[in-house]
Amino acid sequence: QKEVEQNSGPLSVPEGAIASLNCTYSDRGSQSFFWYRQYSGKSPELIMSIYSNGDKEDGRFTAQLNKASQYVSLLIRDSQPSDSATYLCAVGGDQAGTALIFGKGTTLSVSS
Amino acid sequence: DAGITQSPRYKITETGRQVTLMCHQTWSHSYMFWYRQDLGHGLRLIYYSAAADITDKGEVPDGYVVSRSKTENFPLTLESATRSQTSVYFCASKGTNTEAFFGQGTRLTVV
Repeated sequence: QKEVEQNSGPLSVPEGAIASLNCTYSDRGSQSFFWYRQYSGKSPELIMSIYSNGDKEDGRFTAQLNKASQYVSLLIRDSQPSDSATYLCAVGGDQAGTALIFGKGTTLSVSS
Repeated sequence: DAGITQSPRYKITETGRQVTLMCHQTWSHSYMFWYRQDLGHGLRLIYYSAAADITDKGEVPDGYVVSRSKTENFPLTLESATRSQTSVYFCASKGTNTEAFFGQGTRLTVV
């Protein structure tokens, strides 16, 4: 059974701080990694994808991947109250159509 | 409008009834997926499809049936609804080199 683990939170940070979200996965053959954001009552939306070891930055978001440790993280710099949501880590296999396996999500709360 | 749409958005049905949730995408994506989302369980894969007439089971397929006669449609049928199938259902589609896009979700209540 392929598993993706996340701390459920809630993770609470003050406005302007860095939020750090973590995820581990069990399948060493995984090749694609994604972070989705989900607001309450809404559908998940992709915010970051990463495929190779290292860091990938997009605006205030940085995804980090370490395949040896089977670990993915998401850093949100200068956190805003609008970042308050549930963040879902998703892991895919080595083929384009492999279904994503999701973690249960981490709830982030940014206080102003 | 381009995108992926689910219908209905909300549905209440009785135990034992058959109910079909619809999913339609306009991108001609090859891959389509059905997930259910429950508190404490996150998103769990029910069924997925790699192309028309090709479907496969996911993590929690029992009690569900899918079909994909056309690339753009991927309906999910609950043959005899049970209370444990009360959930929010998300359909998603994905191209060969694209991310997975989600529909708005269907909130199903089985009473």
